[in-house]
Amino acid sequence: KNQVEQSPQSLIILEGKNCTLQCNYTVSPFSNLRWYKQDTGRGPVSLTIMTFSENTKSNGRYTATLDADTKQSSLHITASQLSDSASYICVVSSSGAGSYQLTFGKGTKLSVIP
Amino acid sequence: DTEVTQTPKHLVMGMTNKKSLKCEQHMGHRAMYWYKQKAKKPPELMFVYSYEKLSINESVPSRFSPECPNSSLLNLHLHALQPEDSALYLCASSQIGRRAKNIQYFGAGTRLSVL
Repeated sequence: KNQVEQSPQSLIILEGKNCTLQCNYTVSPFSNLRWYKQDTGRGPVSLTIMTFSENTKSNGRYTATLDADTKQSSLHITASQLSDSASYICVVSSSGAGSYQLTFGKGTKLSVIP
Repeated sequence: DTEVTQTPKHLVMGMTNKKSLKCEQHMGHRAMYWYKQKAKKPPELMFVYSYEKLSINESVPSRFSPECPNSSLLNLHLHALQPEDSALYLCASSQIGRRAKNIQYFGAGTRLSVL
């Protein structure tokens, strides 16, 4: 069964600090992994997408890493801002049959406080 | 244009009402999706349309009726809903084919409250 596990479940950090969110997956065959930011009551917004051959991808203060061997990904947020407070969801896409479907993690709820 | 537009943003309806949610994209995507998301949970897939034909129905109750009138539009018709149907309804779209990598673009969602 395809699964995506995220940790921690929630995280509180001070404004200006860095943090790292983790994602472990068991999705096969693997196509790509995407990190989304979702504000409460809003749709997910894509931050990064990584395929099998990519190890690191950055988008401003967000840097995602992917280790396809250990099936782990991380999202590093640098110099956090109050507006970073949101849920961060790891989503993995399979390239197999029925490849319309995505496997979602439960998300990490990040709170950035002044 | 990389937007998926959903209307309305908010909807309050009674259990006897009939309403529709609308979704539009102009990225030339030929797959469109409806998801339901309850608070603090990940989105759950409801329906998938591929080339304007329903290809996946995840055992969704018949009080939810999807419609894809053309390649840019996706509707979700609601009738006789229950309070437990209150949720955020998300629309998404993607290209079709292995090269597309199933990269789904999400709309901002419709927050539905059933009284």
